[in-house]
Amino acid sequence: QITLKESGPTLVKPTQTLTLTCAFSGFSLSSSSEGAGWIRQPPGKALEWLALIYGNDDKRYSPSLTSRLSIAKDTSKKQVVLTLTNMDPVDTGTYYCVHYSGGYYFGWFDPWGQGTRVTVSS
Amino acid sequence: QSVLTQPPSASGTPGQRVTISCSGSSSNIGSNTVHWYQHLPGTAPKLLIFRNNQRPSGVPARFSGSRSGTSASLAISGLQSEDEADYYCAAWDDGPNGYVFGTGTRVTVL
Repeated sequence: QITLKESGPTLVKPTQTLTLTCAFSGFSLSSSSEGAGWIRQPPGKALEWLALIYGNDDKRYSPSLTSRLSIAKDTSKKQVVLTLTNMDPVDTGTYYCVHYSGGYYFGWFDPWGQGTRVTVSS
Repeated sequence: QSVLTQPPSASGTPGQRVTISCSGSSSNIGSNTVHWYQHLPGTAPKLLIFRNNQRPSGVPARFSGSRSGTSASLAISGLQSEDEADYYCAAWDDGPNGYVFGTGTRVTVL
């Protein structure tokens, strides 16, 4: 059974860097055919994909946020870390850690972590 | 700035069939498979349909998906009260957009 759990600050000040950690179990994240990623949802808005890291350490980022995003994995600790720089109130929302499978290019996200709420405010 | 367009709402009475549309383009739905996610209030989103019409284990058969050209649809047959949720379509985009979600549709059971 695959599980993912997010952790990190609930409140971040504008211009600060957000660092979120995802602790996962039930998969190794060492195969190129699987990965882990992050998806967020601002209050009252749609889901937005942020980043994906494959088991071979290849990474993909949302084009609109690529200059601010970084994703990394530590397979020995079974963790995936997302950093988002220069936080702004529009970055407020729930951030989900997700497992990726179904192929290198055209897979899907399943399951999802419970999510962690992040508020950006001074 | 969702790339895939869905109606904001849909509704039906228990037992009815509800269909949700998802409109994209040649760079996403037109060339890649579509996935659907269900987001129940207060819970994490859940994969409902993958590869256009495949149901993960545990998803009831009343949920079905289809794709035609640059559009896709999700149908819920025999609507139940526990189906009240937000539904999102999604697909990979061959252009610069990466993985894109739809605008989301809130389904209400009357």
